[in-house]
Amino acid sequence: DAGVTQSPTHLIKTRGQQVTLRCSPKSGHDTVSWYQQALGQGPQFIFQYYEEEERQRGNFPDRFSGHQFPNYSSELNVNALLLGDSALYLCASSWGQGGGNTIYFGEGSWLTVV
Amino acid sequence: QQQVKQSPQSLIVQKGGISIINCAYENTAFDYFPWYQQFPGKGPALLIAIRPDVSEKKEGRFTISFNKSAKQFSLHIMDSQPGDSATYFCAASWEDYKLSFGAGTTVTVRA
Repeated sequence: DAGVTQSPTHLIKTRGQQVTLRCSPKSGHDTVSWYQQALGQGPQFIFQYYEEEERQRGNFPDRFSGHQFPNYSSELNVNALLLGDSALYLCASSWGQGGGNTIYFGEGSWLTVV
Repeated sequence: QQQVKQSPQSLIVQKGGISIINCAYENTAFDYFPWYQQFPGKGPALLIAIRPDVSEKKEGRFTISFNKSAKQFSLHIMDSQPGDSATYFCAASWEDYKLSFGAGTTVTVRA
């Protein structure tokens, strides 16, 4: 049973560029959330996708956008990259809406903006 | 605004000792309280979780204690081992799966 898989694992981008990160949820899961974890801090919620729609959004600018596909996989896009966007981006998956189900995280994508 | 406050920031414990990490929350609507373990360069891994209708949950050497009236919960790591050296995050959520994380506690177990 594959867990949450993310790609790429590491990438370096230049300030002002755009980046796309990808996530495949754990088998049987249909809800995907994205988190940003800066060095030495706890993960911060970016947004959540369910049934191909953004259901919730954290305190992140519109430069951060996403998409969920019919197979439940998801992408996180960040435009006009800033140095402060350098972080570990985590994808988390769970099943259904309404609370109470376990949330699993992937290994993350390390983004460095130079 | 941090919804979950975690302490201490770091702790050092001898092998075989007990590690205790504390968390406090404000939002009484929270109904799911997981703990995650994270090793350097890795994603958080679910360790153990509790719901507010239970005061204690134990899984192996890991125990969560939950005090609903005080809005506090804690993680106890019994018989700490060097392999337990990691960063531990408490978190809380309410129905919607949006986890609010604490700032993390770095645990170092000395052999």
